[in-house]
Amino acid sequence: SAVISQKPSRDICQRGTSLTIQCQVDSQVTMMFWYRQQPGQSLTLIATANQGSEATYESGFVIDKFPISRPNLTFSTLTVSNMSPEDSSIYLCSVEDWVKGGFFGPGTRLTVL
Amino acid sequence: QQQVKQSPQSLIVQKGGISIINCAYENTAFDYFPWYQQFPGKGPALLIAIRPDVSEKKEGRFTISFNKSAKQFSLHIMDSQPGDSATYFCAARGGSARQLTFGSGTQLTVLP
Repeated sequence: SAVISQKPSRDICQRGTSLTIQCQVDSQVTMMFWYRQQPGQSLTLIATANQGSEATYESGFVIDKFPISRPNLTFSTLTVSNMSPEDSSIYLCSVEDWVKGGFFGPGTRLTVL
Repeated sequence: QQQVKQSPQSLIVQKGGISIINCAYENTAFDYFPWYQQFPGKGPALLIAIRPDVSEKKEGRFTISFNKSAKQFSLHIMDSQPGDSATYFCAARGGSARQLTFGSGTQLTVLP
């Protein structure tokens, strides 16, 4: 299975600032996924990131708020922009092995004050 | 529109008992149904998964039962242990990017 690391593991940020979350995979993958997990809730897909193309966002998520970069086949970043307390969540990076299934990183726990 | 419905929301089982979590889906285009286990402070970990051409899959104490006609699938944890206490999510894969759609989660507590 793929090994996925995320940085930072957690952060506490002030309202109105931005945070960039990094996701590194130990193998080349075509698609990477970013999910949000609000406290005590399930996982919601934010966007799908393909290398070399614009990310595809799910309903309710926009590029201005959650810009994503995918510079190569092993790395992606998600930025949470102009943060508010409602953005306090766990942000998870995921990759898909079409045979074995989806694998998740450890998550970035974000608290916005 | 919630495409994967999961129940129960919480479950308490005695050690050695059987834990059963149920999910139902709507989209017949889903082609892969995994279960994830998540401990506090950790990312979800793939536990077991099934494809719709199989009615049952067993891995150790964990079994998935799949009913394609009813569009339902369930996770059975045999001989439940306190270490199994976690949140369990069912999911279904489909869509243009073959992304996962998750159920709402079940918090399982296994009493010693």
